[in-house]
Amino acid sequence: KQEVTQIPAALSVPEGENLVLNCSFTDSAIYNLQWFRQDPGKGLTSLLLIQSSQREQTSGRLNASLDKSSGRSTLYIAASQPGDSATYLCAGAHHTSQGGSEKLVFGKGTKLTVNP
Amino acid sequence: KAGVTQTPRYLIKTRGQQVTLSCSPISGHRSVSWYQQTPGQGLQFLFEYFSETQRNKGNFPGRFSGRQFSNSRSEMNVSTLELGDSALYLCASSSWDEQYFGPGTRLTVT
Repeated sequence: KQEVTQIPAALSVPEGENLVLNCSFTDSAIYNLQWFRQDPGKGLTSLLLIQSSQREQTSGRLNASLDKSSGRSTLYIAASQPGDSATYLCAGAHHTSQGGSEKLVFGKGTKLTVNP
Repeated sequence: KAGVTQTPRYLIKTRGQQVTLSCSPISGHRSVSWYQQTPGQGLQFLFEYFSETQRNKGNFPGRFSGRQFSNSRSEMNVSTLELGDSALYLCASSSWDEQYFGPGTRLTVT
């Protein structure tokens, strides 16, 4: 059974700092990993998707890496801003026995606060 | 392109009632998945539909059911509501690998 863990559960940093959020998973048979952002009471916004054959993806100030062999992914945020304050979730995608379908297994998230 | 839409956004029900939530996927997306989010359990997979067929189901009791229509819109139904069903219910649509989530329906059971 896949388990996804995110450390730390909460993080508070001053504006402008570079930071790393960690995600670990127990089942290396994921075929992709997604990072999401969730603002309070809102839905999830997809940030980055890394296919199992890739090692990293970049979008603006965000960079996500994936190491399947060690069961780890990291999300790097450069030059953090107060608008980055949110909960960040990682999720591993698995094909199911029905073939072609997938489900996401989520971590509990890291709540990030960027202080002005 | 319009995103995933969910209705209603907020709902208050009493124990024992039933509820139906609706999800309209991104145009062209044929897969719709449902997730329940609670403070204690986080995000948990409920089920996934593709071309009107349920392809996968999570570990939830039979009170939770769903369906998908020919236009890919999906509904989920929860019967005999319990206090523990209070949660944010999220649906996601995908056309290939990436899943796109709607804003969710906040269900409160009193």
